[in-house]
Amino acid sequence: DIVLTQSPALAVSLGQRATISCKTSQNVDNYGISYMNWYQQKPGQQPKLLIYEGSNLASGIPVRFSGSGSGTDFTLTVDPVEPDDIANYCCQQSKDYPWTFGGGTKLELK
Amino acid sequence: QVTLKESGPGILQSSQTLSLTCSFSGFSLNTSGICVSWIRQPSGKGLEWLATICWEDSKGYNPSLKNRLTVSKDTSNNQAFLKITSVDSTDIAIYYCARNWEFYFDYWGQGVMVTVSS
Repeated sequence: DIVLTQSPALAVSLGQRATISCKTSQNVDNYGISYMNWYQQKPGQQPKLLIYEGSNLASGIPVRFSGSGSGTDFTLTVDPVEPDDIANYCCQQSKDYPWTFGGGTKLELK
Repeated sequence: QVTLKESGPGILQSSQTLSLTCSFSGFSLNTSGICVSWIRQPSGKGLEWLATICWEDSKGYNPSLKNRLTVSKDTSNNQAFLKITSVDSTDIAIYYCARNWEFYFDYWGQGVMVTVSS
């Protein structure tokens, strides 16, 4: 299985940039597409798709969210961080079955 | 508007079979490229993909649950189903169904909590 590793938490100030990383145990690129997706989850709620295929913004998601990276190293950036962005963020690969998720990074206020 | 909603027994006894239903609207499982997946999340832990069923009836299962999973669908009633046999305490979690569009989960249900008692 492809293992996705995220830092457990990241502290950030409102109005600043947050950079959340996800490292995979194997390359999740294929034919120029990064099979890496990002989700936001708030307590008591279901996950919400933010970014798909590495860098594509999902419908209705603010442009302050962006995704980048390739191969085994990926980043979700939130710039600038707003109060509503305090949540848990997790990455997910869909290159190989079983599809796997990272453990999540809790974005906290500094 | 795409919506999904999970339903299940809430609580069941160890060794029983868990049956979950995902009722959805706003899309059809007859549409090319559309799949419905099941994902679970134990309290305070990460997400685990369990199974997927697609428009042409292809299915995928997480090998970590070996042969305990069965996914099926009722296209005419816009429902998908998941069965997990021989449940135990490790199956206690919130269970989500989600629509797959290609290689990502673009819409999720609100989740249903499942507890297993011994």
